[in-house]
Amino acid sequence: GIQVEQSPPDLILQEGANSTLRCNFSDSVNNLQWFHQNPWGQLINLFYIPSGTKQNGRLSATTVATERYSLLYISSSQTTDSGVYFCAVELAAGNKLTFGGGTRVLVKP
Amino acid sequence: DTGVSQDPRHKITKRGQNVTFRCDPISEHNRLYWYRQTLGQGPEFLTYFQNEAQLEKSRLLSDRFSAERPKGSFSTLEIQRTEQGDSAMYLCASSETTGGRRETQYFGPGTRLLVL
Repeated sequence: GIQVEQSPPDLILQEGANSTLRCNFSDSVNNLQWFHQNPWGQLINLFYIPSGTKQNGRLSATTVATERYSLLYISSSQTTDSGVYFCAVELAAGNKLTFGGGTRVLVKP
Repeated sequence: DTGVSQDPRHKITKRGQNVTFRCDPISEHNRLYWYRQTLGQGPEFLTYFQNEAQLEKSRLLSDRFSAERPKGSFSTLEIQRTEQGDSAMYLCASSETTGGRRETQYFGPGTRLLVL
Protein backbone atom coordinates (compact mmCIF):
# COMPACT_ATOMS: atom_id res chain seq x y z
CA GLY A 1 0.00 0.00 0.00
CA ILE A 2 0.88 3.65 -0.15
CA GLN A 3 3.45 4.91 2.34
CA VAL A 4 3.07 8.30 4.01
CA GLU A 5 5.99 9.67 5.98
CA GLN A 6 6.01 12.85 8.01
CA SER A 7 8.96 14.76 9.34
CA PRO A 8 10.09 15.76 11.81
CA PRO A 9 8.32 13.44 14.27
CA ASP A 10 8.61 16.01 17.06
CA LEU A 11 9.06 19.77 17.02
CA ILE A 12 9.55 22.18 19.91
CA LEU A 13 9.12 25.85 19.09
CA GLN A 14 9.38 29.10 20.93
CA GLU A 15 6.26 31.23 20.58
CA GLY A 16 6.59 33.47 17.54
CA ALA A 17 8.85 31.12 15.60
CA ASN A 18 8.16 29.80 12.11
CA SER A 19 8.30 26.15 11.11
CA THR A 20 7.86 23.77 8.17
CA LEU A 21 6.37 20.29 8.38
CA ARG A 22 6.87 17.83 5.56
CA CYS A 23 4.80 14.95 4.19
CA ASN A 24 6.19 12.51 1.61
CA PHE A 25 4.02 9.93 -0.12
CA SER A 26 4.94 7.00 -2.30
CA ASP A 27 2.27 7.02 -5.03
CA SER A 28 0.04 9.32 -7.07
CA VAL A 29 -2.83 10.66 -5.01
CA ASN A 30 -6.30 12.03 -5.67
CA ASN A 31 -6.56 13.94 -2.43
CA LEU A 32 -4.30 15.23 0.32
CA GLN A 33 -5.52 16.73 3.56
CA TRP A 34 -3.73 18.31 6.52
CA PHE A 35 -5.26 18.00 9.98
CA HIS A 36 -4.51 19.33 13.44
CA GLN A 37 -5.42 16.98 16.28
CA ASN A 38 -6.11 18.88 19.46
CA PRO A 39 -5.45 17.50 22.98
CA TRP A 40 -9.00 16.13 23.15
CA GLY A 41 -8.46 14.05 20.02
CA GLN A 42 -10.56 16.08 17.58
CA LEU A 43 -9.16 16.14 14.06
CA ILE A 44 -9.56 19.63 12.68
CA ASN A 45 -9.39 20.15 8.92
CA LEU A 46 -6.67 22.57 7.91
CA PHE A 47 -6.32 22.12 4.16
CA TYR A 48 -7.66 20.04 1.30
CA ILE A 49 -4.75 20.39 -1.08
CA PRO A 50 -4.08 17.71 -3.73
CA SER A 51 -1.89 20.23 -5.56
CA GLY A 52 -0.86 23.87 -5.47
CA THR A 53 -0.65 26.33 -2.60
CA LYS A 54 -3.25 27.55 -0.13
CA GLN A 55 -3.13 29.95 2.78
CA ASN A 56 -5.34 30.37 5.81
CA GLY A 57 -4.19 32.99 8.27
CA ARG A 58 -0.82 32.01 9.74
CA LEU A 59 -0.93 28.61 8.08
CA SER A 60 -0.16 27.78 4.48
CA ALA A 61 0.37 24.55 2.58
CA THR A 62 1.97 23.54 -0.69
CA THR A 63 1.63 20.21 -2.46
CA VAL A 64 3.90 19.25 -5.36
CA ALA A 65 2.04 16.20 -6.63
CA THR A 66 4.59 15.35 -9.34
CA GLU A 67 7.33 15.08 -6.70
CA ARG A 68 5.03 13.43 -4.13
CA TYR A 69 5.39 15.75 -1.19
CA SER A 70 3.49 18.40 0.70
CA LEU A 71 4.63 21.09 3.12
CA LEU A 72 2.75 22.81 5.93
CA TYR A 73 4.06 26.18 7.08
CA ILE A 74 3.27 27.62 10.47
CA SER A 75 4.24 31.26 10.89
CA SER A 76 4.41 33.27 14.11
CA SER A 77 3.52 30.17 16.12
CA GLN A 78 1.25 30.43 19.15
CA THR A 79 0.79 28.09 22.11
CA THR A 80 -2.59 27.11 20.68
CA ASP A 81 -0.77 25.63 17.67
CA SER A 82 0.46 22.81 19.90
CA GLY A 83 -0.82 19.36 19.06
CA VAL A 84 -0.27 16.72 16.43
CA TYR A 85 -0.33 17.55 12.73
CA PHE A 86 -1.29 14.79 10.32
CA CYS A 87 -1.23 14.62 6.60
CA ALA A 88 -3.46 12.05 4.93
CA VAL A 89 -3.69 10.97 1.32
CA GLU A 90 -6.25 9.23 -0.83
CA LEU A 91 -5.05 7.16 -3.77
CA ALA A 92 -6.25 8.10 -7.21
CA ALA A 93 -8.37 4.96 -7.34
CA GLY A 94 -8.97 4.63 -3.63
CA ASN A 95 -11.71 5.61 -1.22
CA LYS A 96 -9.98 5.98 2.12
CA LEU A 97 -7.44 8.25 3.71
CA THR A 98 -4.03 6.86 4.62
CA PHE A 99 -2.43 8.87 7.41
CA GLY A 100 1.17 9.59 8.17
CA GLY A 101 2.59 9.12 11.64
CA GLY A 102 2.13 12.76 12.53
CA THR A 103 4.36 15.59 13.73
CA ARG A 104 3.97 16.44 17.42
CA VAL A 105 4.37 20.18 17.90
CA LEU A 106 4.89 21.90 21.22
CA VAL A 107 4.93 25.70 21.25
CA LYS A 108 6.43 27.14 24.41
CA PRO A 109 5.45 30.60 25.70
CA ASP B 1 -24.08 22.20 9.34
CA THR B 2 -23.74 20.73 12.82
CA GLY B 3 -20.70 18.59 12.08
CA VAL B 4 -20.14 14.89 12.59
CA SER B 5 -21.27 13.64 16.00
CA GLN B 6 -20.36 10.45 17.82
CA ASP B 7 -21.81 8.76 20.86
CA PRO B 8 -20.65 7.88 23.42
CA ARG B 9 -17.50 9.97 23.75
CA HIS B 10 -15.97 7.54 26.23
CA LYS B 11 -16.61 3.87 26.96
CA ILE B 12 -15.02 1.63 29.56
CA THR B 13 -15.89 -2.03 29.35
CA LYS B 14 -14.65 -5.37 30.58
CA ARG B 15 -12.99 -7.87 28.30
CA GLY B 16 -15.55 -10.11 26.63
CA GLN B 17 -18.37 -7.58 26.63
CA ASN B 18 -20.01 -6.20 23.49
CA VAL B 19 -20.00 -2.47 22.73
CA THR B 20 -21.77 -0.36 20.11
CA PHE B 21 -20.85 3.10 18.90
CA ARG B 22 -22.97 5.51 16.90
CA CYS B 23 -21.98 8.09 14.29
CA ASP B 24 -24.20 10.80 12.82
CA PRO B 25 -22.62 12.30 9.70
CA ILE B 26 -23.05 15.77 8.31
CA SER B 27 -26.50 15.85 6.77
CA GLU B 28 -26.60 15.04 3.06
CA HIS B 29 -23.10 13.52 3.13
CA ASN B 30 -23.42 10.25 1.29
CA ARG B 31 -20.11 8.74 2.38
CA LEU B 32 -19.33 7.64 5.93
CA TYR B 33 -16.01 6.24 7.14
CA TRP B 34 -14.78 4.53 10.31
CA TYR B 35 -11.16 4.76 11.44
CA ARG B 36 -9.30 3.54 14.51
CA GLN B 37 -6.46 5.37 16.20
CA THR B 38 -4.17 3.85 18.83
CA LEU B 39 -1.94 5.89 21.10
CA GLY B 40 0.87 7.65 19.29
CA GLN B 41 -0.25 6.54 15.83
CA GLY B 42 -2.19 8.05 12.95
CA PRO B 43 -5.75 6.90 12.30
CA GLU B 44 -6.19 3.68 10.31
CA PHE B 45 -9.07 2.97 7.96
CA LEU B 46 -11.61 0.34 9.00
CA THR B 47 -14.56 0.57 6.61
CA TYR B 48 -16.70 2.95 4.60
CA PHE B 49 -20.25 3.29 3.30
CA GLN B 50 -21.74 5.04 0.32
CA ASN B 51 -25.34 5.62 1.33
CA GLU B 52 -26.38 2.31 2.93
CA ALA B 53 -23.92 0.12 1.02
CA GLN B 54 -20.72 -0.98 2.77
CA LEU B 55 -18.21 -0.80 -0.06
CA GLU B 56 -14.86 -1.59 1.55
CA LYS B 57 -13.58 -3.25 4.71
CA SER B 58 -10.02 -3.25 5.98
CA ARG B 59 -8.33 -6.45 7.05
CA LEU B 60 -8.16 -4.74 10.45
CA LEU B 61 -11.90 -5.32 10.71
CA SER B 62 -11.99 -8.81 12.20
CA ASP B 63 -15.15 -10.90 12.35
CA ARG B 64 -15.81 -9.50 15.82
CA PHE B 65 -16.45 -6.10 14.24
CA SER B 66 -19.60 -5.20 12.34
CA ALA B 67 -20.75 -1.89 10.93
CA GLU B 68 -24.11 -0.87 9.57
CA ARG B 69 -25.71 2.15 7.99
CA PRO B 70 -29.27 0.90 7.54
CA LYS B 71 -30.97 4.00 6.13
CA GLY B 72 -27.98 5.75 4.67
CA SER B 73 -27.87 8.25 7.51
CA PHE B 74 -26.34 7.33 10.89
CA SER B 75 -24.02 4.36 11.30
CA THR B 76 -23.22 1.95 14.12
CA LEU B 77 -20.01 0.07 14.81
CA GLU B 78 -20.30 -2.96 17.07
CA ILE B 79 -17.44 -4.86 18.64
CA GLN B 80 -18.29 -8.28 20.03
CA ARG B 81 -16.29 -10.08 22.72
CA THR B 82 -13.99 -7.11 23.25
CA GLU B 83 -10.28 -7.67 23.82
CA GLN B 84 -7.74 -5.40 25.47
CA GLY B 85 -6.20 -4.80 22.05
CA ASP B 86 -9.44 -3.13 20.96
CA SER B 87 -8.67 -0.18 23.25
CA ALA B 88 -8.36 2.80 20.94
CA MET B 89 -10.07 5.94 19.69
CA TYR B 90 -12.74 5.14 17.10
CA LEU B 91 -13.23 7.97 14.64
CA CYS B 92 -16.05 8.55 12.19
CA ALA B 93 -15.83 10.81 9.15
CA SER B 94 -18.19 11.83 6.38
CA SER B 95 -17.85 13.35 2.95
CA GLU B 96 -19.89 14.25 -0.07
CA THR B 97 -19.25 13.03 -3.58
CA THR B 98 -20.01 15.53 -6.31
CA GLY B 99 -20.19 14.27 -9.87
CA GLY B 100 -17.92 11.37 -9.01
CA ARG B 101 -15.32 13.60 -7.33
CA ARG B 102 -14.66 12.89 -3.68
CA GLU B 103 -14.50 15.84 -1.33
CA THR B 104 -12.99 16.67 2.02
CA GLN B 105 -13.54 14.20 4.84
CA TYR B 106 -14.78 15.76 8.09
CA PHE B 107 -14.16 13.93 11.33
CA GLY B 108 -16.21 13.58 14.47
CA PRO B 109 -14.82 13.92 18.02
CA GLY B 110 -14.28 10.18 18.37
CA THR B 111 -15.25 7.51 20.88
CA ARG B 112 -12.45 6.55 23.24
CA LEU B 113 -12.72 2.86 24.21
CA LEU B 114 -10.89 1.28 27.13
CA VAL B 115 -11.16 -2.48 27.58
CA LEU B 116 -10.16 -3.67 31.06
